[in-house]
Amino acid sequence: DAGVIQSPRHEVTEMGQEVTLRCKPISGHDYLFWYRQTMMRGLELLIYFNNNVPIDDSGMPEDRFSAKMPNASFSTLKIQPSEPRDSAVYFCATKGLRNTEAFFGQGTRLTVV
Amino acid sequence: QKEVEQNSGPLSVPEGAIASLNCTYSDRGSQSFFWYRQYSGKSPELIMSIYSNGDKEDGRFTAQLNKASQYVSLLIRDSQPSDSATYLCAVSEGGSEKLVFGKGTKLTVNP
Repeated sequence: DAGVIQSPRHEVTEMGQEVTLRCKPISGHDYLFWYRQTMMRGLELLIYFNNNVPIDDSGMPEDRFSAKMPNASFSTLKIQPSEPRDSAVYFCATKGLRNTEAFFGQGTRLTVV
Repeated sequence: QKEVEQNSGPLSVPEGAIASLNCTYSDRGSQSFFWYRQYSGKSPELIMSIYSNGDKEDGRFTAQLNKASQYVSLLIRDSQPSDSATYLCAVSEGGSEKLVFGKGTKLTVNP
């Protein structure tokens, strides 16, 4: 398996534009997590899915952020409109069984100017 | 949100020494505990997982868990310069699969 695949690896966009980040989980993994990492706040959980269903989105900072998982092979995190304070590295992570470790994708470095 | 606390460091040790990294957590219902290593510009990768009180050893790494004290630690024996990275403690929230991370401890191993 190629592991968790995220795209794009880098994204530079202007304030106010829509940004879509993509994640392909490891095949067979039922849990998918979206994290945001900044120097100030560390790794913050934004939302996680189980079997394509959103379970906890309490970490989503505001209505400008939305996430979907239309099938077991694909998830998106969308920011609309983007703001400079959204600049961060966004990680997707997945895991299989309960109480096991999560595996991270390579991340998307987002810069909003 | 439940909290996971780590000393931010930086922690600096000489090559060959033992590096000790500590983590405390607030949720008494937590059942799963993990240590991840993150090199600069890279994604976190799992080093150790521990689920019950006591020690768990894997090569040069030993994880220690004390649920009564809500404390997790990671010992790295015979530290190498390649161990220089940020170490993240992660704890599952009780009753869920949500993984909460500490902000990490930056370790530097000096040759």
